[in-house]
Amino acid sequence: DQQVKQNSPSLSVQEGRISILNCDYTNSMFDYFLWYKKYPAEGPTFLISISSIKDKNEDGRFTVFLNKSAKHLSLHIVPSQPGDSAVYFCASHYNQGGKLIFGQGTELSVKP
Amino acid sequence: NAGVTQTPKFRILKIGQSMTLQCTQDMNHNYMYWYRQDPGMGLKLIYYSVGAGITDKGEVPNGYNVSRSTTEDFPLRLELAAPSQTSVYFCASLDRAQETQYFGPGTRLLVL
Repeated sequence: DQQVKQNSPSLSVQEGRISILNCDYTNSMFDYFLWYKKYPAEGPTFLISISSIKDKNEDGRFTVFLNKSAKHLSLHIVPSQPGDSAVYFCASHYNQGGKLIFGQGTELSVKP
Repeated sequence: NAGVTQTPKFRILKIGQSMTLQCTQDMNHNYMYWYRQDPGMGLKLIYYSVGAGITDKGEVPNGYNVSRSTTEDFPLRLELAAPSQTSVYFCASLDRAQETQYFGPGTRLLVL
């Protein structure tokens, strides 16, 4: 039972345009959401997070939106750059030892 | 600033062999985790630890064992390697103040 789902395995975007990566979850007890970025042969690195008490969090070119009623969050990257090409994982944790539940990942390709 | 380190980077095992994947963090984090990532999938939690001497099972613990004798080290043991354990293994530690996990670079394991 996949509690965190990323239904798009891949996304291709032109440099300078907006990238929108989507994530859905099923458990209404989830209270904190994170996005991780992963390059090949490296471990995931933290990108941005959002608490369930907010509906938006922004950090430079990256913005995460949370729609609790729809159990949906999205990551917006504006403008997209070739260096953003990576696999992006959505994850959620709830207060039981900080354990994370990951989505399957979306591979973003930003073309020059 | 080493962060989370993992050894080895890559290993080939024969079916039935055993090995230990090493993980060390220098951030004095109490919480540590082991994940595996199969192709096209998200990371799945194998085991985690909330402090020295305390460990607990995650989502996919079968075939693995862990120990936590110090805050810094969290080794993962495979006793009887099986082809189903071919995967990339990531160790992580949690910064509780930021509610963010920091990952090591991963160990790629091939069981033949």
